[in-house]
Amino acid sequence: QQQVKQSPQSLIVQKGGISIINCAYENTAFDYFPWYQQFPGKGPALLIAIRPDVSEKKEGRFTISFNKSAKQFSLHIMDSQPGDSATYFCAASRTGANNLFFGTGTRLTVIP
Amino acid sequence: GAVVSQHPSWVICKSGTSVKIECRSLDFQATTMFWYRQFPKQSLMLMATSNEGSKATYEQGVEKDKFLINHASLTLSTLTVTSAHPEDSSFYICSARSTRTGLGYTFGSGTRLTVV
Repeated sequence: QQQVKQSPQSLIVQKGGISIINCAYENTAFDYFPWYQQFPGKGPALLIAIRPDVSEKKEGRFTISFNKSAKQFSLHIMDSQPGDSATYFCAASRTGANNLFFGTGTRLTVIP
Repeated sequence: GAVVSQHPSWVICKSGTSVKIECRSLDFQATTMFWYRQFPKQSLMLMATSNEGSKATYEQGVEKDKFLINHASLTLSTLTVTSAHPEDSSFYICSARSTRTGLGYTFGSGTRLTVV
């Protein structure tokens, strides 16, 4: 059973546009929601993370929006650049538990 | 920040041989490390969780005798793929979680294993 559902599977955005990736979860015990960026042949790198006590977190061009009642969270990449082209994974975990549950990934392509 | 070093970054081995992959937390202590396997264009699949000084916990369907995990210190975990076969070819990634709160999970750069 997929603990975290992610969409879309792939996304093509024009340079300067906004990239939006969505995730949904079922387990209300989750309290940590990170996003990872992965380039081909590399391990995932933490991009930004949020906890459910806030509805939005912004770091530079990257923003997480969190909707606790809907059990959804999304990543917005403003002013998307070709260098942002990568695979993005959302994830979720809960305090006290070891495991991090990953979404299925979104392959983002930013075209010049 | 927290840095995890994974070595080697790529390895080619012959069928039937064993390969060891190392995962080190460079600037923090990690009581727990994780080993993932990733197939092309797919998400990360958790193979096992290793705890310093104790046996690893393997996910369902992962052969513990084929994928030997050792976590002998707070900064080092190793994954040994024993009697490797071509179907073991994959991208293996380790992750570590700091004993200090707030640092989350840090991933290594991955190891591309090709068994010929």
